[in-house]
Amino acid sequence: QKEVEQDPGPLSVPEGAIVSLNCTYSNSAFQYFMWYRQYSRKGPELLMYTYSSGNKEDGRFTAQVDKSSKYISLFIRDSQPSDSATYLCAIYSGGYQKVTFGIGTKLQVIP
Amino acid sequence: GAVVSQHPSRVICKSGTSVKIECRSLDFQATTMFWYRQFPKQSLMLMATSNEGSKATYEQGVEKDKFLINHASLTLSTLTVTSAHPEDSSFYICSAIDSPNEKLFFGSGTQLSVL
Repeated sequence: QKEVEQDPGPLSVPEGAIVSLNCTYSNSAFQYFMWYRQYSRKGPELLMYTYSSGNKEDGRFTAQVDKSSKYISLFIRDSQPSDSATYLCAIYSGGYQKVTFGIGTKLQVIP
Repeated sequence: GAVVSQHPSRVICKSGTSVKIECRSLDFQATTMFWYRQFPKQSLMLMATSNEGSKATYEQGVEKDKFLINHASLTLSTLTVTSAHPEDSSFYICSAIDSPNEKLFFGSGTQLSVL
C-alpha cells in the first residue's frame, strides 16, 4: 500500500464549478498536510498548509483534514481557467523527515 | 510565503560535461533541502536529502557519484550532474524546509537538456 494515494485524474470541470481533490494516507505519524499547485515546467507552489483535523480556508481554497479517516481534501470554489494545473497533496511527519507526495491530480477548468 | 531561488532555469549542455544547479533559501535558513527529479507528466521523484554540514542522503537507485550534492551553508545547496548524458535530461527541482513553521517551499525548477 502506498503511503499516500491520490487519483491522477484528469479532472475536467466547467468554469465556476466547485472542485474537490482528495488524498488518503496510511501512516498516522503524519502531522503536517499540504497542498501544492504545479503548472507545467514550474516548481510546485504551496497553496494550503495545516496540521490539525478540520477545515482551513484561504480565499477560494479550503483544506480539510480528517485524521481519524486519514483523509485530506482540497476544495476550490468558483473555479477559474487559471486554476488548471496539477494539484499535489503532501504529507510530512516533521523533524526533517522527507515529505511524501501524492501522484498529483491534473485539473482542467473549461471556460 | 518563503522564497526558494533556483538557478539556472534552463540549461543545455553537451554529453560528458558537468552541470551545477543552485538552490538558495532567500528569507529563511534551511537545515534540510531536498532534490527531486520530474519526468513529463509524472510526479516528483525524490533523489536525495541534503543536510547542512553533512553528507547528503540518497534515495535507492540514485547514483551519488553522478549527482553530487553540497549543502555548504544554511541557505545554499547545489546539485552537480557529473558527466551528463542524454538520459539525465529531466526537470530538476529543489525544495527547502522552513523549519520553525515546518513548511516546504520549492524552487522554480531547472530543465536540463543533454545533447
